[in-house]
This record gives sequence, structure tokens and C-alpha cells, in this order.
Amino acid sequence: DQQVKQNSPSLSVQEGRISILNCDYTNSMFDYFLWYKKYPAEGPTFLISISSIKDKNEDGRFTVFLNKSAKHLSLHIVPSQPGDSAVYFCAASGGNQFYFGTGTSLTVIP
Amino acid sequence: DTAVSQTPKYLVTQMGNDKSIKCEQNLGHDTMYWYKQDSKKFLKIMFSYNNKELIINETVPNRFSPKSPDKAHLNLHINSLELGDSAVYFCASSHRTGAAFFGQGTRLTVV
Repeated sequence: DQQVKQNSPSLSVQEGRISILNCDYTNSMFDYFLWYKKYPAEGPTFLISISSIKDKNEDGRFTVFLNKSAKHLSLHIVPSQPGDSAVYFCAASGGNQFYFGTGTSLTVIP
Repeated sequence: DTAVSQTPKYLVTQMGNDKSIKCEQNLGHDTMYWYKQDSKKFLKIMFSYNNKELIINETVPNRFSPKSPDKAHLNLHINSLELGDSAVYFCASSHRTGAAFFGQGTRLTVV
């Protein structure tokens, strides 16, 4: 039973525009959420995180929003750059492990 | 310096063989993990160790045996390899609270 879901397998965005990646979770006990970026043949790279006591965390071009009542989080990348093209995984921390979504493949078109 | 390193990166082996994947982290983390990424790209926890003690052992065949000689190492040994074991295996580490950092992955192909 998948507790973290990313319903969009892919997303294409023009360079310079905003990329919005979405993630939903089912377990209200999760207290820490993360986004990872993954290039082919490499391991996931930690990008940004947010604690459940916050609703927004920003790091440069990357902002994560958390809506606890909706059990939803999103990653905004602005402006998007071609180097951002990768698979993005949403993850939630709980019970001594991280639960991952299935990823969204982002393509930024120059 | 690589924070989480796992070897080998690629492993091709025949059915029935026994193989090991090694993982080391130099981040001073107290928790280490093995994840499996299946053909659908889903990352699923296999094992989690905290301070060398097994704390999570998901429904994994007992042909898979993790070994943590110290806090910085978590190796994965697989006996009697089967075709269905073909996948990418990722090692990761974290503090008990905080982000997990991943190794580069080991692509295991059983033929």
C-alpha cells in the first residue's frame, strides 16, 4: 500500500517558467517531508525538506509547500533551467524509514 | 570525498550465485538503509539499521542478509540469486532525524 503518491509521471516546462511538482500522502503521522532529484545511473540527491510544523520552506530557486489538512505537498522550481531535467521523488519520514513516491520526470525545454 | 559509497556499481551474475554489495558512509550518521528500486522505479525499503542494530526488516526473502560491522558500514549479502532479484539497490544513511543521503546505486542483473 503506497503511502506517498506522485500522480504525474512526467512534466514538461519551458526554460524560465515555473515547474510545479505535486505529491500526496496518506499517513497523518508523517512529520518530515523531502524532495529528491535523480539523474539516470545515479542515486537520489537530497534537494529540500520541510517539517510538518511549517507550511513553506525556500532554498534559492526551490520552494516546498506543505498543506497538512490536504495531505499534500508541492515543489516549485522557478525559474526552471535545462539542468533541472531529472526525476523528482517526494518522500516522507516515519517509523524509522523514508517512504517514496514513484517519481515525476521533469523535462525543461530550452 | 564521496559521502555514501557503494560497490560495485554494476553486477552481472548467474542464477544461484551468492553476491555481496558493500556500503560505507563518512557522514557520521547513525542510521543506514538498503532500498530496492524495482522495474517500475519504485524505491522500497528493505532494511534499516540504527547504531548497528537492525530496526526494520521488511518482507524480504531471507536469502538477503544485511551485515553492519560498524556504524559506517552496511553490507548486503544475497544468497542463491534469482532472476527476480534483478534491480537497482541503493544504500543510504541519515541521522535518526534528518534527510537520507544515497549512494550511487548498484545495478544487479541476474542471468
